[in-house]
Amino acid sequence: NAGVTQTPKFQVLKTGQSMTLQCAQDMNHNSMYWYRQDPGMGLRLIYYSASEGTTDKGEVPNGYNVSRLNKREFSLRLESAAPSQTSVYFCASIRGQVEGETQYFGPGTRLLVL
Amino acid sequence: KQEVTQIPAALSVPEGENLVLNCSFTDSAIYNLQWFRQDPGKGLTSLLLIQSSQREQTSGRLNASLDKSSGRSTLYIAASQPGDSATYLCAVRGFKTIFGAGTRLFVKA
Repeated sequence: NAGVTQTPKFQVLKTGQSMTLQCAQDMNHNSMYWYRQDPGMGLRLIYYSASEGTTDKGEVPNGYNVSRLNKREFSLRLESAAPSQTSVYFCASIRGQVEGETQYFGPGTRLLVL
Repeated sequence: KQEVTQIPAALSVPEGENLVLNCSFTDSAIYNLQWFRQDPGKGLTSLLLIQSSQREQTSGRLNASLDKSSGRSTLYIAASQPGDSATYLCAVRGFKTIFGAGTRLFVKA
């Protein structure tokens, strides 16, 4: 049981390049999330998927797209990377939208856009 | 719009001291409030989750309280140890989850 996994761990991109961040969970969770974390700030929600087949925008969706490939996998795509997208990206999952459920986080992807 | 604030932003204490971290939020319509620990360069580890109907949760040397009416939660750490050094984040879950910026804790041996 690996929990939430993310690939890659580190990535350096040039401005204008594209890439996809991968996230997978093996806990049979329904909801999945993508956050970004910048220095001195808390995590900010980029996109989320409440259930398989649905995706919705979070606080900071501009410049990103997502795909909920199946129940296990939720990917985040940067079509044309910008230096402002330099950040640490975390994927999280939760079983359902009830009070007692805990979010589980992946180890993060550190992205540098030059 | 939910806003979450954590005070202080950073804290340095000697080993063995009891300490309190604070989290305040503006919208009391929440499902739960969760405290996380984050070590440098690592992901988030859940410490305690308090449901909206609960007042507190305890795990070992950690105790978290929730007062929805005042929009406040505290994380109490008893007998702090150098291994407690990390950033502590609170997250308030309503329709969406909103995080505070965190408190960076350093416990000196």
